[in-house]
Amino acid sequence: DTEVTQTPKHLVMGMTNKKSLKCEQHMGHRAMYWYKQKAKKPPELMFVYSYEKLSINESVPSRFSPECPNSSLLNLHLHALQPEDSALYLCASSQDVSTDTQYFGPGTRLTVL
Amino acid sequence: RKEVEQDPGPFNVPEGATVAFNCTYSNSASQSFFWYRQDCRKEPKLLMSVYSSGNEDGRFTAQLNRASQYISLLIRDSKLSDSATYLCVVTLNAGKSTFGDGTTLTVKP
Repeated sequence: DTEVTQTPKHLVMGMTNKKSLKCEQHMGHRAMYWYKQKAKKPPELMFVYSYEKLSINESVPSRFSPECPNSSLLNLHLHALQPEDSALYLCASSQDVSTDTQYFGPGTRLTVL
Repeated sequence: RKEVEQDPGPFNVPEGATVAFNCTYSNSASQSFFWYRQDCRKEPKLLMSVYSSGNEDGRFTAQLNRASQYISLLIRDSKLSDSATYLCVVTLNAGKSTFGDGTTLTVKP
C-alpha cells in the first residue's frame, strides 16, 4: 500500500469558518508534509513533521495550524483564512526526512470565499 | 536567484520525438534529486530519483552533475501519455524540498 489519502477532496469555506484538512498514510512512514499549490505554480512546502514532531515551519501564517496526532495522521486546522489562501493543499509522506522519496496524496482543493 | 530553476517550456513535440528537460539548483549542500510528473488537477507522482551515476527507466534517463549543479531528464520515443508537467525537485536534509516551476510537455499525434 503506497497510498496517501486526504479528506475532503474539495472544501469551500468562509473567512470566519474553522475547518480541518486530514491526511492519512499506512506505509509506516515517519515523515509527513503539508504543501500548498496555487494554479500553474509548483507545490510550496509549508510544514514538515518528523516522528510526530514539527521540524520545519516555512514561516506559514498562524491561521494555518498543523497537528500530528499519531504517526499515520496529519491534520491542518484552518481558521480565519483569506481568499488568497484558496489553493490545492497537498499532503505527502516519506520513510524519514533524510533523503527519501515523498509520496503525495490527491490533495484538498480549498476555496475561501 | 531561484533555488531551483527549470527550462520554462512549454515543449510541444510530435509523437516519437526525443525531448530533454534541464534543471539547475543553487545550494551545493543539496542531497537528493528527483523528477516528478504532475497531470492537470492531480498530485505530483514520482517519475525517477536522480543519481550522479545516471539512471534509466525504459524511455526515461535522468542525470545529475553535482559539479555544475545541474539535473536533466531525457524522454525518448515520446508518447501521447507523456503529456504532463515535469517538476524537478531538490531536497536538502531534514525534508526541505524545493520544486522547480515545472516544464509542460505536450506530445501531439
